[in-house]
Amino acid sequence: DTGVSQNPRHKITKRGQNVTFRCDPISEHNRLYWYRQTLGQGPEFLTYFQNEAQLEKSRLLSDRFSAERPKGSFSTLEIQRTEQGDSAMYLCASSLYGGVTEAFFGQGTRLTVV
Amino acid sequence: AQTVTQSQPEMSVQEAETVTLSCTYDTSESDYYLFWYKQPPSRQMILVIRQEAYKQQNATENRFSVNFQKAAKSFSLKISDSQLGDAAMYFCAPNFGNEKLTFGTGTRLTIIP
Repeated sequence: DTGVSQNPRHKITKRGQNVTFRCDPISEHNRLYWYRQTLGQGPEFLTYFQNEAQLEKSRLLSDRFSAERPKGSFSTLEIQRTEQGDSAMYLCASSLYGGVTEAFFGQGTRLTVV
Repeated sequence: AQTVTQSQPEMSVQEAETVTLSCTYDTSESDYYLFWYKQPPSRQMILVIRQEAYKQQNATENRFSVNFQKAAKSFSLKISDSQLGDAAMYFCAPNFGNEKLTFGTGTRLTIIP
């Protein structure tokens, strides 16, 4: 285990389709975060998990978005009925002791909605 | 609202010279942590340096150091002896006493050989 892994790296989908992304954190990290980064902007927080519990969700996370982390291991982020405005880089990060410690980021999944 | 401002969208520096990237923020919290992250082209974000707000001493990591002014809510990053590998987007990202990072809009740093 050399870091945070995200799959797929790129996803092109038609508007209205559902997509799912996967994140595998560093194995001993109990915190897992999802961020969204649009072109020319810094990442924006979407949600985070401590083990399997989803403890905070941003207002950016509309009802079309859902995230899970079964058994406190990998996490999935699903977007239903995609819209062009969902096009962005979706970043996953994990950390050992939460916000006071270093977050390790994956390379992201770039979503393009056409 | 907690906000982070990076007023320099782009910066350039000659190789081996020193450059300073600025960051200001607004928060009502007194205890928080500040981070600078680097995002090289097509590669993942990595931590550059970390500062605890309760510490008066500025953090240093090899060629990287910060100038943390708590009263002014300023957290600038100084890169000494700039190298070609330092070319990247740099994000100021405080953690205002909760779990998440609040990112600025970033500064794109170009190193001129």
